[in-house]
Amino acid sequence: QVQLVESGGGVAQPGRSLRLSCAASGFTFSSYGMHWVRQAPGKGLEWVAVIWYDGSNKYYGDSVKGRFTISRDNSKNTLHLQLNSLRAEDTAVYYCARDSSTVVGANFYFDYWGQGTLVTVSS
Amino acid sequence: SSELTQDPAVSVALGQTVRITCQGDSLRTFYASWYQQKPGQAPIFLIYGKNNRPSGIPDRFSGSSSGNTASLTITGAQAEDEADYYCNSRDISGTQLKGFFGGGTKLTVL
Repeated sequence: QVQLVESGGGVAQPGRSLRLSCAASGFTFSSYGMHWVRQAPGKGLEWVAVIWYDGSNKYYGDSVKGRFTISRDNSKNTLHLQLNSLRAEDTAVYYCARDSSTVVGANFYFDYWGQGTLVTVSS
Repeated sequence: SSELTQDPAVSVALGQTVRITCQGDSLRTFYASWYQQKPGQAPIFLIYGKNNRPSGIPDRFSGSSSGNTASLTITGAQAEDEADYYCNSRDISGTQLKGFFGGGTKLTVL
């Protein structure tokens, strides 16, 4: 069965960095686009970034562009999100989610989600 | 415009039908997808495309779209349907692609 397990969350000071990971199993990871979606405490969902199945294209939400970097290692079935220049408003649960589209980019239908990892930005 | 608007809260009597709506310009071009989220849990994929349900989603959930509005309908709401519901879409501006969610609708089953 499809499994997505996030890790790497924790507490970071403003301006510092964190790297999140998402370990995928139960499907051919290299065939699917992958996303990061976040949710601030008590708030709604916010799309963060997407990466194509082969890493050839990456797109970001306006609030994280230039600070966050999405990447993947298809040999290790792992998705990453590098969070730099962290701000208090980046405090959220970060979910990785699989795009339902295979090999043809992304359709932004998130068919499987991990359980999330909490990032807290505080001094 | 990269915005989707949802009513913050909706209520429905047990066994009745409820419609949750989502409005945005991008919906004139792209179909929405819908997600259910219960407290402390990850979202669940409910509806996508014109009106498609992933396997395992009960057929009391259905979707529709007209103009700039997408709708999620629950026919015969159950107590376990009490949750937050989010719509999602995408938009292309020049060479930039991005996704976005509606603000969410909290459904109360009375």
